[in-house]
Amino acid sequence: DARVTQTPRHKVTEMGQEVTMRCQPILGHNTVFWYRQTMMQGLELLAYFRNRAPLDDSGMPKDRFSAEMPDATLATLKIQPSEPRDSAVYFCASGSPTGANTGELFFGEGSRLTVL
Amino acid sequence: AQSVTQPDIHITVSEGASLELRCNYSYGATPYLFWYVQSPGQGLQLLLKYFSGDTLVQGIKGFEAEFKRSQSSFNLRKPSVHWSDAAEYFCAVGAVLAAAGNKLTFGGGTRVLVKP
Repeated sequence: DARVTQTPRHKVTEMGQEVTMRCQPILGHNTVFWYRQTMMQGLELLAYFRNRAPLDDSGMPKDRFSAEMPDATLATLKIQPSEPRDSAVYFCASGSPTGANTGELFFGEGSRLTVL
Repeated sequence: AQSVTQPDIHITVSEGASLELRCNYSYGATPYLFWYVQSPGQGLQLLLKYFSGDTLVQGIKGFEAEFKRSQSSFNLRKPSVHWSDAAEYFCAVGAVLAAAGNKLTFGGGTRVLVKP
């Protein structure tokens, strides 16, 4: 059963520490998205990639957040330094713009981040 | 710019009663429309999607949605809810153009509570 895998599922850290979240998209999917979910803002798009190239990261605070795809099987989202306001659930999703599931996004189970 | 509005933040429904969740969208081109469900602590799961054709679409778990272009709406319905339907529901709109990939804009969500 193909699925998007995210690690870690939970992370508690102190303000100022670096946090790295990882995502393994579904094999064969060529678009990868990072969303952040909070009670106040709902689901916000942070960044997305197509064929490993960043297409849009306008939703991401550039001074502390960075997103990369070192290869087709790994996407990373890094926060350095982390702040309490970064506490949220971060979701990775992947998709394919063609084929039977065109337009559909498949979500991972999320990484819950708490910054103290 | 595309946007999605889910007017109801919370809905409480009795088990066995019918459910309708409202969704209105704003989009400049022909939209792809989706409904996702999120159970506590989980990622988002696709319930159903509309790309073209029959404006009444059937999804998983007994859900259906109707696309009404004149009203820019895509409301979700279920004739008889089960306690397991308690969750948060998200409506989303995306692009038909392959060049835009799968970029989806989500509504704020509607949390459904089911009374015994």
